[in-house]
Amino acid sequence: GAVVSQHPSRVICKSGTSVKIECRSLDFQATTMFWYRQFPKQSLMLMATSNEGSKATYEQGVEKDKFLINHASLTLSTLTVTSAHPEDSSFYICSAVQASGYNEQFFGPGTRLTVL
Amino acid sequence: GQNIDQPTEMTATEGAIVQINCTYQTSGFNGLFWYQQHAGEAPTFLSYNVLDGLEEKGRFSSFLSRSKGYSYLLLKELQMKDSASYLCAVRDGSSNYQLIWGAGTKLIIKP
Repeated sequence: GAVVSQHPSRVICKSGTSVKIECRSLDFQATTMFWYRQFPKQSLMLMATSNEGSKATYEQGVEKDKFLINHASLTLSTLTVTSAHPEDSSFYICSAVQASGYNEQFFGPGTRLTVL
Repeated sequence: GQNIDQPTEMTATEGAIVQINCTYQTSGFNGLFWYQQHAGEAPTFLSYNVLDGLEEKGRFSSFLSRSKGYSYLLLKELQMKDSASYLCAVRDGSSNYQLIWGAGTKLIIKP
C-alpha cells in the first residue's frame, strides 16, 4: 500500500518557539493532503486541506496565521506551528490521498507535540 | 447538519465475533470508510463501501445500507491485537476527498 512518512515523530519545545512538521508521500504523488490534530481519547479533528501549488483551506476555528501550511510539491506538505503554547500540545497527523482505487486517505505515523 | 454516530466502547472475547455499528446523516454520500487506530498511532485503512451490501476482506467485513444511512464493521475470530479504536468516516462528496469522521469505537478484547 501507499506509504506516508511524517517527521519528527515526537518533539518537545518551549513556549513561544515554532515547530515544523513534514509529511511526505513516499511512493505516490499526492495532490491533496490533510492535517489533523487529535486530543487523547478523541477523534480526528480536521485542521486544513492542503493542495499542491495552492493555498491551504482551513477549517472553521483554525488560525491560518498560527498553523502555516505549505504544499510545495506533490510529495511534501509541511505544517508549522508558530509561537507554540502549551494548549497546542497534541497529536498531529497528516494524510495523503492517492488518486486511484478508492481515493482513500493514507496516514502518516503522527507527531506528538509537547509545548512546555 | 453532518453527523456520524458509533458506540463509544465495546468489549468482546478473544475468538468471538463483534459487530460495530455506524449511522450517518450527511448532505451527500460518496463512500464510507472504516479505519483502525491503535493507541498512539495513526489510523490505517480497513474497508470501503459505496454500494449497498457486504464487502468481505479476511476476518473483517463491512456492510452498507445507503437507504438507512447505516454501516457495520464485523470482526471475526477476534485476536488480542484487534484491541483498538475503529473509526467510521463518510465522504459526502462536497469537498475534494475530505471525510467526515465519527468519534470512534474503542474495542476491548478480553482473553
